Order: sequence, then structure tokens, then C-alpha cells
Amino acid sequence: DQQVKQNSPSLSVQEGRISILNCDYTNSMFDYFLWYKKYPAEGPTFLISISSIKDKNEDGRFTVFLNKSAKHLSLHIVPSQPGDSAVYFCAAEQAGTALIFGKGTTLSVSS
Amino acid sequence: KAGVTQTPRYLIKTRGQQVTLSCSPISGHRSVSWYQQTPGQGLQFLFEYFSETQRNKGNFPGRFSGRQFSNSRSEMNVSTLELGDSALYLCASSLNSDPYEQYFGPGTRLTVT
Repeated sequence: DQQVKQNSPSLSVQEGRISILNCDYTNSMFDYFLWYKKYPAEGPTFLISISSIKDKNEDGRFTVFLNKSAKHLSLHIVPSQPGDSAVYFCAAEQAGTALIFGKGTTLSVSS
Repeated sequence: KAGVTQTPRYLIKTRGQQVTLSCSPISGHRSVSWYQQTPGQGLQFLFEYFSETQRNKGNFPGRFSGRQFSNSRSEMNVSTLELGDSALYLCASSLNSDPYEQYFGPGTRLTVT
């Protein structure tokens, strides 16, 4: 049973436009959500997070939105840059338990 | 400050053999977690060690085991290797036991033939 789902395996966006990566979850007990970025041959790098008590968190070009009623979160990247091309993982945490990751979305930003 | 290091980076083993992977966390970090990444499966949690004690365990068979030493370095062992164990094994460390502060190593690419 997949508790964290990233239904789009890939996304292609033009440089300068907005990238929107989506993530759905099933466990209403999750209290923290995170996005990680992964380049080939490297480990994932923490990007941005959001607590379940908030609905938006912004860090530079990256904004994460959380819709608890829909059990949905999204990562917005504006403007998208070629260097943003990577695999993006959504992850969720319930206090005291391990992080649960989605399967990832490969973002390709073309110039 | 040095990041998380994993050795070896690449490994080729034969079915039925066993393998030991090593992870050195960031200095001062006490929690080490292990993940398996396979194509199309994302990152699947194996186990977490904190101060030499296993705190959490994922849904993997008993062939997968781990340990943590007093200096926080960690090893994971896979016995009786199967073809399906071919994957990228990632180690992540954190200061305490907060998953959202995890820092990942580059991983060990294991190929089982």
C-alpha cells in the first residue's frame, strides 16, 4: 500500500516557465512533508519542507503548498532553470517513524 | 564539515553471496538510516539506527541487517543475495532522530549477477 504517491513519472518544462510537481498521500497522521532533489550518481538533497499545520512554505524559487483536506501537496518552481533538471522525491513523516518517499518525478527543463 | 560517505561506491556480486556496505555519517550525527532505491520504486526505507540501537525497521526480509558502532558509523549486510537486490543503497545521517534533517550520501550501487 503506497502511502505517498507521485503519479507523474516525468515532467517537461521550458526554461523560465513554472514547474509544478504533485504528490498525494493517504495517511492523515503525517505531520511533516519534504521535497528532495536527486541528480544522477548523487544522493538526494533536501529542498524544502512544510509542517502539517501550515498550507504554504516558500524558499526563493521554490514554494510548497499543502492541501490537507485533499491530502495533496505540490512543489512549484518559478522560474524553472535547466539546472533544476533532476528527480524530485516527495516524502512524508509521522512523528517517531521513518520517512516514506514517493517514487519520484523526473523534471526536465529545456532551454 | 565532511558529508556522508559510503563505501564502496560500486560493487558486483554473484547470487548467493553476501555483501557488507559501510556508511560514515557527518561528524556529530547520531542517527543513520538506510534506503534502497530501485528503478520505479523510489526510496524504500530499510532501517534506522540511533546511538547503536535500531529504532525503526522497514518491510524487508531478514536477509537485510545492519548495525551501528559507537562512533556512529554504520554497516548494512545482505546475505544470500538475489538478483532483485540490485539497487542503489543510500545512507542518510541526522543529528538526532529527526528525519527531516537527513543528509544523504552518494550511495553504493550494488549489482547482483
